[in-house]
Amino acid sequence: DIQMTQSPSTLSASVGDRVTITCRASQSISSWLAWYQQKPGKAPQLLIYKASSLESGVPSRFSGSGSGTEFTLTISSLQPDDFATYYCQQYNNSFAWTFGQGTKVEIK
Amino acid sequence: QITLKESGPTLVKPTQTLTLTCTFSGFSLYTSGVGVGWIRQPPGKALEWLAFIYWDDDKRYSPSLKSRLTITKDTSKNQVVLRMANMDPVDTGTYYCAHGGHNYGFGALDSWGQGTLVAVSS
Repeated sequence: DIQMTQSPSTLSASVGDRVTITCRASQSISSWLAWYQQKPGKAPQLLIYKASSLESGVPSRFSGSGSGTEFTLTISSLQPDDFATYYCQQYNNSFAWTFGQGTKVEIK
Repeated sequence: QITLKESGPTLVKPTQTLTLTCTFSGFSLYTSGVGVGWIRQPPGKALEWLAFIYWDDDKRYSPSLKSRLTITKDTSKNQVVLRMANMDPVDTGTYYCAHGGHNYGFGALDSWGQGTLVAVSS
């Protein structure tokens, strides 16, 4: 299986901060990477697909980049609604699909 | 608008087989380029991808759980069923079904059900 490692596991930030979350794959997955946001008691919501494509309806302060084994999710100016847990997921069809362990974004 | 909803037992005993049904609307598995997946989440832990079924009945499974999982579809009923054999208390968690489409590369799941909590206990 491909292992997906997110860092950091927890991030403390303030409203207005620029936030970056990193996701590393144990093997190259090309650009087959998605990012999700999950709030307590709710289903995940797709933010980014194919590493850098913004899902319809998702605010433009969210962006994704990377390819191969290293990827980032950036929130350009953190808003109160953004405090949540974020997951990366690889979906390269040459491998079984896997999620990262999650990054919790907390209020500083 | 795509909607999905999971249904099934809230409590199963160890060694039993769990059967979960995902009933959806807003798309059809008669249509090429779509599929439905299952994902679970133990309490307080990370998401775990389980299985995916394509419109053409192709299937993919998590290798670590493949021997215990079966995913099927009833296209006429707009339903996908997941069966997980030999349940154990570590399988306790919330089980989600979700839609994937070819324009996302299938594996990026753009619509999710609300989830159903399954507890495994004697």
